[in-house]
Amino acid sequence: ETGVTQTPRHLVMGMTNKKSLKCEQHLGHNAMYWYKQSAKKPLELMFVYSLEERVENNSVPSRFSPECPNSSHLFLHLHTLQPEDSALYLCASSRGLADYNEQFFGPGTRLTVL
Amino acid sequence: GQNIDQPTEMTATEGAIVQINCTYQTSGFNGLFWYQQHAGEAPTFLSYNVLDGLEEKGRFSSFLSRSKGYSYLLLKELQMKDSASYLCAKMDSNYQLIWGAGTKLIIKP
Repeated sequence: ETGVTQTPRHLVMGMTNKKSLKCEQHLGHNAMYWYKQSAKKPLELMFVYSLEERVENNSVPSRFSPECPNSSHLFLHLHTLQPEDSALYLCASSRGLADYNEQFFGPGTRLTVL
Repeated sequence: GQNIDQPTEMTATEGAIVQINCTYQTSGFNGLFWYQQHAGEAPTFLSYNVLDGLEEKGRFSSFLSRSKGYSYLLLKELQMKDSASYLCAKMDSNYQLIWGAGTKLIIKP
């Protein structure tokens, strides 16, 4: 257990569906991250939040919409996804953004888009 | 772009030693991380290097040469449970992690 939980662990959705991924950290951290992990590819950083403010958006398509209502919770809202969006979506948290900060990862949501 | 290069897959024998290499662009460097990821699980932190040299932590050691843009993870006395993917990540000038694609390590009896 890393102190970061994600739900659901598995999700199958059609291209017209709307769904949300949830992440919660119990570590008292101030920064939270969404990553996409595709087979045999590097982790792709999607979004970064620090103290509930978005600080990074790496040219992610608008069909992915993050939300950070407080420093413990992070959501990724999904709408009109494409089959190539099928991947493992990982949430992580760290104490802060600057200087050395180990990131703690959740177990991920395995997303399949039909 | 910033490429983090590491071998795709390696095979080693139980009880042996294996070295997993990682190379990166030296500009905008703020540290080098190694993570372990078992299949279907979260990546977990193994080591962090920001200065040149070897950091030893039990059976695992990590080495860094900043001038060469080179790091390696050394695993000794391999156990079957060490079968996993090992991810190398460089912390850039914005303190974000740039990741390699990971090295899948297969341990054989």
